[in-house]
Amino acid sequence: GAGVSQSPSNKVTEKGKDVELRCDPISGHTALYWYRQSLGQGLEFLIYFQGNSAPDKSGLPSDRFSAERTGGSVSTLTIQRTQQEDSAVYLCASSLRQGVAFFGQGTRLTVV
Amino acid sequence: DAKTTQPNSMESNEEEPVHLPCNHSTISGTDYIHWYRQLPSQGPEYVIHGLTSNVNNRMASLAIAEDRKSSTLILHRATLRDAAVYYCILRDVNFGNEKLTFGTGTRLTIIP
Repeated sequence: GAGVSQSPSNKVTEKGKDVELRCDPISGHTALYWYRQSLGQGLEFLIYFQGNSAPDKSGLPSDRFSAERTGGSVSTLTIQRTQQEDSAVYLCASSLRQGVAFFGQGTRLTVV
Repeated sequence: DAKTTQPNSMESNEEEPVHLPCNHSTISGTDYIHWYRQLPSQGPEYVIHGLTSNVNNRMASLAIAEDRKSSTLILHRATLRDAAVYYCILRDVNFGNEKLTFGTGTRLTIIP
């Protein structure tokens, strides 16, 4: 596709369940970012991938959060044992290194 | 990380020019100034960026102070579709600011 694609667009899960959020970046983009945005709040950085370098995980809020990027393309953000405070919109972006970042439409996660 | 300061909110009349300020007094010589905006219920989108000289594109203009400690995003003729949160961000051209850190931004309201 032409843009960054995220799936699912909406996810409702029960507290304590694990969830996986997917991001398909723009083809050829070496950098990939994950952010989350709680209702009415700003964007909180979670993790950054750049090529084959070790990812910058400094924004992950707890060890329940993890992300991987396979083959330098698709990325999956996994949240284990979800809590209600994990409810937010999770945004993915991709770019060429230090280039303009293009964002997906996000996945709205609701933990009930 | 170099920080930016923006007003929390601004209002402007439709079809009038809008000047959105950003202070970045600790900017380094290798920091580019980027602007993104986030329309309601959407992911952020790139608006414009520059280093030292003023920049123009189809969306906006960027005026950069001579000492680079401040900049202004100019929307020449605001429309209702320009109502969004506008973020001013610094990106180190030497890869020192990989995270693309978003502040709280300026919420722009357009009055019909």
